Amino acid sequence: DTAVSQTPKYLVTQMGNDKSIKCEQNLGHDTMYWYKQDSKKFLKIMFSYNNKELIINETVPNRFSPKSPDKAHLNLHINSLELGDSAVYFCASSQDRPSTDTQYFGPGTRLTVL
Amino acid sequence: AQTVTQSQPEMSVQEAETVTLSCTYDTSENNYYLFWYKQPPSRQMILVIRQEAYKQQNATENRFSVNFQKAAKSFSLKISDSQLGDTAMYFCAFDGEYGNKLVFGAGTILRVKS
Repeated sequence: DTAVSQTPKYLVTQMGNDKSIKCEQNLGHDTMYWYKQDSKKFLKIMFSYNNKELIINETVPNRFSPKSPDKAHLNLHINSLELGDSAVYFCASSQDRPSTDTQYFGPGTRLTVL
Repeated sequence: AQTVTQSQPEMSVQEAETVTLSCTYDTSENNYYLFWYKQPPSRQMILVIRQEAYKQQNATENRFSVNFQKAAKSFSLKISDSQLGDTAMYFCAFDGEYGNKLVFGAGTILRVKS
């Protein structure tokens, strides 16, 4: 059973399009995250949600909008895609803060904007 | 803001030998948490080991151990008896006592050679 799943795993799209990436965790965790890994493999947090409430927003452009319909899901919607949005996006979850509880990562979604 | 520095972009080691990956960090906090994550070619992020700053004893997990030097703000990872399956990108990460996110270093690519 996959603990943290993401769909799709690969996404290729044109500039200007709107796309969504879905994330689901079946671990019963309260906190979920979105990270972006750029072409140089640098990994940086974008958002963090706790019990469906946004607690971290790391100066991400407004074109990125996370949505948490329930504790088990944290989706990422991206409007007006740009070339620079090409990256691997990771969803993660933890019961509590990552310092006190292991953070589990999804398999990543490789987004390519043409 | 906390920063994490990994000064070795790439490392190589022969199978069965020992290798040490370096990590330094900058923080003004006294209590915090440090992690090493492994990212194999499959892209999956896997927690290797964690260290709590208030614990003086270095963390160990089977063949993986850390050398935590709090005064020097250094947190190196030692891999003993290296195996081909250890080939991956290794990320050092930090979470503050009151933070709610992981701050990652740039990563070190480790190649284990047969």
